[in-house]
Amino acid sequence: GENVEQHPSTLSVQEGDSAVIKCTYSDSASNYFPWYKQELGKGPQLIIDIRSNVGEKKDQRIAVTLNKTAKHFSLHITETQPEDSAVYFCAATKEKGGKLIFGQGTELSVKP
Amino acid sequence: NAGVTQTPKFRILKIGQSMTLQCAQDMNHNYMYWYRQDPGMGLKLIYYSVGAGITDKGEVPNGYNVSRSTTEDFPLRLELAAPSQTSVYFCASSLPGQGTEAFFGQGTRLTVV
Repeated sequence: GENVEQHPSTLSVQEGDSAVIKCTYSDSASNYFPWYKQELGKGPQLIIDIRSNVGEKKDQRIAVTLNKTAKHFSLHITETQPEDSAVYFCAATKEKGGKLIFGQGTELSVKP
Repeated sequence: NAGVTQTPKFRILKIGQSMTLQCAQDMNHNYMYWYRQDPGMGLKLIYYSVGAGITDKGEVPNGYNVSRSTTEDFPLRLELAAPSQTSVYFCASSLPGQGTEAFFGQGTRLTVV
């Protein structure tokens, strides 16, 4: 079955710097890769996603890149702000099948 | 819309006791999931369902059971609680197909003592 590895487990940056979180997946049939943000005491919420027919997607300060050949995808946050501090999860799934498998999470801390 | 509602929010169980974690969604989503979240371990899929009457095991199903008699409800049953089941449990739902967002409940924090 699918296995998703996420690195780093913790990341500390200064406000205004960029943050990069990387994930690898094992099942070459996976074709949808969402990223979720979890704030303290809450459930995860979708922040951006990418499909396997696209190499990069951007939404304001957040971007995601996908390398299907290497089976890895990354989250890039530019001009980080204190409110970006949270736990971020990557995930992978196939179009049909239902399983949504998550990585281990990255705790991002943005210091003012 | 309420979205995904989980009850209870907190619970303390004694070893060997049983309980049911409730999950309901009002978005007419076919897919529903149960995850557990342990510190530093991410979200592990326990069970999932692609529709009423259909359930399947995830990554860590041992010690749990589920049922899906309606589209709206997806309860998770712990029969003989063990300390290893101390965790935060999240229910989620989504529409079928590629590229659909999963909506999560607020979580249930369970402690087994």
